[in-house]
Amino acid sequence: GAVVSQHPSWVICKSGTSVKIECRSLDFQATTMFWYRQFPKQSLMLMATSNEGSKATYEQGVEKDKFLINHASLTLSTLTVTSAHPEDSSFYICSARNLTSSYNSPLHFGNGTRLTVT
Amino acid sequence: SQQGEEDPQALSIQEGENATMNCSYKTSINNLQWYRQNSGRGLVHLILIRSNEREKHSGRLRVTLDTSKKSSSLLITASRAADTASYFCAQNYGQNFVFGPGTRLSVLP
Repeated sequence: GAVVSQHPSWVICKSGTSVKIECRSLDFQATTMFWYRQFPKQSLMLMATSNEGSKATYEQGVEKDKFLINHASLTLSTLTVTSAHPEDSSFYICSARNLTSSYNSPLHFGNGTRLTVT
Repeated sequence: SQQGEEDPQALSIQEGENATMNCSYKTSINNLQWYRQNSGRGLVHLILIRSNEREKHSGRLRVTLDTSKKSSSLLITASRAADTASYFCAQNYGQNFVFGPGTRLSVLP
């Protein structure tokens, strides 16, 4: 159980276009999902916390108009990278917390999306 | 920054040997968690140790916690080539988690 599906697993897009990444909890409901960015050989950097039915909370330095997050249901959060540029190329990972779990409980992660902007 | 440290940053061992990774954190914790990440994939939860526990086992994994030193270690015994991955410790920070920089483990056959 506790499967998080992230789609697509990789995407190549041209500079200036927008890319949408989906994060779905398949067998549980998630009021909270997290979006991370990871550079090669580095740790995960939290970008934003996505809360179902409300606005996302962005970390300092993350442009909310560039990284649009929508959490319209208890099983789906989306991250849209708008007007992508080569410097946005990275590995993006989502995670989800089960509705019934406490803040201390383990997170369930998607398999990540490799974004390459040409 | 709330991020702690992990050492070593990279570790290369032979199959069958034990691998030890260390993590230090900065603030008080309810628990500390360890995750594994295969190359190009998401993270998988390995083990959780509560602040009132000193040691915990799960299969070939052994985790210790020293809250006085704000440190934890992950020991993988009898390593296998399939254990090759990055390993991260994580501590709660509000409703979020803060991940350490990770240790890249390579187990050579």
